[in-house]
Amino acid sequence: DTEVTQTPKHLVMGMTNKKSLKCEQHMGHRAMYWYKQKAKKPPELMFVYSYEKLSINESVPSRFSPECPNSSLLNLHLHALQPEDSALYLCASSQNLQGPEAFFGQGTRLTVV
Amino acid sequence: RKEVEQDPGPFNVPEGATVAFNCTYSNSASQSFFWYRQDCRKEPKLLMSVYSSGNEDGRFTAQLNRASQYISLLIRDSKLSDSATYLCVAGTASKLTFGTGTRLQVTL
Repeated sequence: DTEVTQTPKHLVMGMTNKKSLKCEQHMGHRAMYWYKQKAKKPPELMFVYSYEKLSINESVPSRFSPECPNSSLLNLHLHALQPEDSALYLCASSQNLQGPEAFFGQGTRLTVV
Repeated sequence: RKEVEQDPGPFNVPEGATVAFNCTYSNSASQSFFWYRQDCRKEPKLLMSVYSSGNEDGRFTAQLNRASQYISLLIRDSKLSDSATYLCVAGTASKLTFGTGTRLQVTL
C-alpha cells in the first residue's frame, strides 16, 4: 500500500478564515512533506518533518503552520491567507529523509477568495 | 540558475515514436534522482529511480551521468497514455528538488 491520503480534496476559504489540511500515511514512513504547486509550475517544498520534528521550513510565511501530531499524520493550518496562496497543496512521505522515493497524496486544491 | 533544469517542451510525437528527455542539476550534493510523471491536475507519481548504471522498466530507460550532472529518460514505442508532464527530481539528504517538467503529447 503506497497510499498517502489528503483531505479535503477541494477547499474554498475567505481571507479571514482558519482552516486545516490533513494528510495521512500508513506506510511507516518517518519523513513527511508539504509542497505547494501553482499551475504550470513544479512542486515547491514548504516544510519537511522527520521523525515528527520539523526539519526544514523553506521560509514559508507564518500564515501557514504545520503540525505533526504523530508519525502517520501531518496537518497544515491556514490562517489569514491571501488570494495568491491559491494553489494545489501536496503532501508526500518517504521512508526517511534520505528517501529513497517520495510518494504523493492527491493534493488539496485551495482557492482563497 | 535553477537547481534542476529541463526543456519545458511541449514534445509532440506520434504514437510509436521514441522520445528522449534531458535534465541537468546544479547541486553536486544531490545523491538520489528520480523521474516523476504528472497528469493534468493530478499529483506527481513516481515513474522510476535513476542510477549511474542506468535502469530500464519496460519501455522506459533512465540514465544518470554524475560527472556531467545530467539525467535522461528515454521512452520507446510511445503510447497515447504516455501524454503527461515528466518531472526530473534531484534529492539531497534532506529534500527533493523538482525540475519545471517537460510536457509530452503523444498523438495518433
